[in-house]
Amino acid sequence: KAGVTQTPRYLIKTRGQQVTLSCSPISGHRSVSWYQQTPGQGLQFLFEYFSETQRNKGNFPGRFSGRQFSNSRSEMNVSTLELGDSALYLCASSFAAIAGTEAFFGQGTRLTVV
Amino acid sequence: AQSVTQLGSHVSVSEGALVLLRCNYSSSVPPYLFWYVQYPNQGLQLLLKYTSAATLVKGINGFEAEFKKSETSFHLTKPSAHMSDAAEYFCAVSDSGGNEKLTFGTGTRLTIIP
Repeated sequence: KAGVTQTPRYLIKTRGQQVTLSCSPISGHRSVSWYQQTPGQGLQFLFEYFSETQRNKGNFPGRFSGRQFSNSRSEMNVSTLELGDSALYLCASSFAAIAGTEAFFGQGTRLTVV
Repeated sequence: AQSVTQLGSHVSVSEGALVLLRCNYSSSVPPYLFWYVQYPNQGLQLLLKYTSAATLVKGINGFEAEFKKSETSFHLTKPSAHMSDAAEYFCAVSDSGGNEKLTFGTGTRLTIIP
């Protein structure tokens, strides 16, 4: 069974640009969540999608957005990049049919903003 | 709001010694608790989870954790440390309402001394 796949693994962007990250969940999983990991702030929840609908949103500015497609694949977009957006972005998928099911994480996309 | 506190950002133990990583939680509803491990440049891997079925939870790689409601703790232990256990460990909590959002602790970096 294939795991969670995130592409690309590494990205370098310039301040002011925008970026789109992709996440393919484990087959059959309907929930996809996104997290930002930085040395200073640790792991912070961005948002969660379930059946193409955003169910939860973390405390991030509107420059961070996402969407989920009918095949459960998800993308997140960051517009007008800032230096502080440099981070490891992790995607997690879960079956989510019952509470407490574990989330499986991808290897992440390392975004560097210069 | 839920939260977890991990005591000790760095822990060093000798190979073969007991590993104890501390996690205390705060939750207004019965929580689901998780321990994840992260190796360098990798995503998060689930070690174990507590979902109220049993207070002593056994996970992968010889790790286990005990849920103690009276102490609001969920400490991770392993009887005998191995060099391959060197990694960063994260405690996380989600609520029991089907909310897929995980709230993570700040992490504990485990170093194994040969």
